[in-house]
Amino acid sequence: DIVMTQSPDSLAVSLGERATINCKSSQSLLYNSNNKNHLAWYQQKSGQPPKLLIYWASTRESGVPDRFSGSGSGTDFTLSISSLQAEDVAVYYCQQYYSIPPVFGQGTRLEIK
Amino acid sequence: EVQLLESGGGLVQPGGSLRLSCAASGFTFTSYAMNWVRQAPGKGLEWVSTISSGGGSTSYADSVRGRFSVSRDNSRNTLFLQMSSLRAEDTAVYYCAKDLLPFVRTSSFGSWGQGTLVAVSS
Repeated sequence: DIVMTQSPDSLAVSLGERATINCKSSQSLLYNSNNKNHLAWYQQKSGQPPKLLIYWASTRESGVPDRFSGSGSGTDFTLSISSLQAEDVAVYYCQQYYSIPPVFGQGTRLEIK
Repeated sequence: EVQLLESGGGLVQPGGSLRLSCAASGFTFTSYAMNWVRQAPGKGLEWVSTISSGGGSTSYADSVRGRFSVSRDNSRNTLFLQMSSLRAEDTAVYYCAKDLLPFVRTSSFGSWGQGTLVAVSS
């Protein structure tokens, strides 16, 4: 199975500042046939189900604010929030869908400093 | 608007069985693979199972294979998860999740239900 490792486990950022979460996979998520990275990011607020933010590593889901962006390729990926808002407090998960079983990272808890 | 409504959770003794349902609306159910993902209390997300749009192909996490069975009724836009030989470690919120894209299984999760809690305890 592919192993997904996020860093850091928790993060405190001031309002309006940039937040960066990293995700590393144990093998490349770049699928040669479609030249896409099979990597998604989810946001889970307290007491709510997860919500898809980013797929194909960098494609923002419809309705997701443009302060959220995804980058990276191969085995190293980043979720960035350009200007942190209070409503962004949540746990963020990366997930590989390159192979079965799909695997999530352990999560990164984002708080306001 | 996509809606996924899980039901059937509850308290069950170890070794017992439970059947979860997920009623889907707001999209063409027959075009999408569907998934179950669970989350133990205070823990992260764990994929459980996927079923193809037509129901002919299924896959399971090693932790549940042989004990859980996923199925769907496309005439009723409903997804099911039959769980048997339940263990304490199966205690979790179980989410129904729609695959991201139609006609192809991606095992990425575009929409999620609110979840149903399964508690396995004596």
